[in-house]
Amino acid sequence: EDKVVQSPLSLVVHEGDTVTLNCSYEVTNFRSLLWYKQEKKAPTFLFMLTSSGIEKKSGRLSSILDKKELSSILNITATQTGDSAIYLCAVGLQGAQKLVFGQGTRLTINP
Amino acid sequence: DAGITQSPRHKVTETGTPVTLRCHQTENHRYMYWYRQDPGHGLRLIHYSYGVKDTDKGEVSDGYSVSRSKTEDFLLTLESATSSQTSVYFCAISGRTGLTDTQYFGPGTRLTVL
Repeated sequence: EDKVVQSPLSLVVHEGDTVTLNCSYEVTNFRSLLWYKQEKKAPTFLFMLTSSGIEKKSGRLSSILDKKELSSILNITATQTGDSAIYLCAVGLQGAQKLVFGQGTRLTINP
Repeated sequence: DAGITQSPRHKVTETGTPVTLRCHQTENHRYMYWYRQDPGHGLRLIHYSYGVKDTDKGEVSDGYSVSRSKTEDFLLTLESATSSQTSVYFCAISGRTGLTDTQYFGPGTRLTVL
């Protein structure tokens, strides 16, 4: 069974801190790994990582894919209260046009 | 926005009644998906479609059916709603560009089954 696990499930930090969110996967045919941010509404796309693009960066957010360790991390530096959200990791599979999602990490940034 | 709407946005219904949720897209994406989101479970795939009249089951398809008669519309039906189907339902689309794995989500429907 294809499986995606995120850790921690919940994290509370102070504004300005740096956080690292983790995503590990056990799937039959890996194709891509995606990160989404979900505030009080629909998930919004952040990054997609593949074998040909294992590192992505956008402003204070960055993500790395480690295909050897079957995992990815999402880093957020200099956190702001607007970063408070659920962060979802998902894996795309070869030969199947669908994603397998992890449980999500709920990140709370306190002022 | 990826041009996705869902209707209704909120619904309260009683156990045993049929319910249909609608997803409408204006982006001409090939693939459409229905997910449910419950605390502690992330997003779980119910059904998906890879073209008009072409659908397949996801991991939590029991008690749900879908139909896609037009590219832009994907319907999710609960034939006889149960309290365990109380959830937030998201529709998603993908496939218009080469990055077919990237899915874009609708605003969600909050369904309560009493």
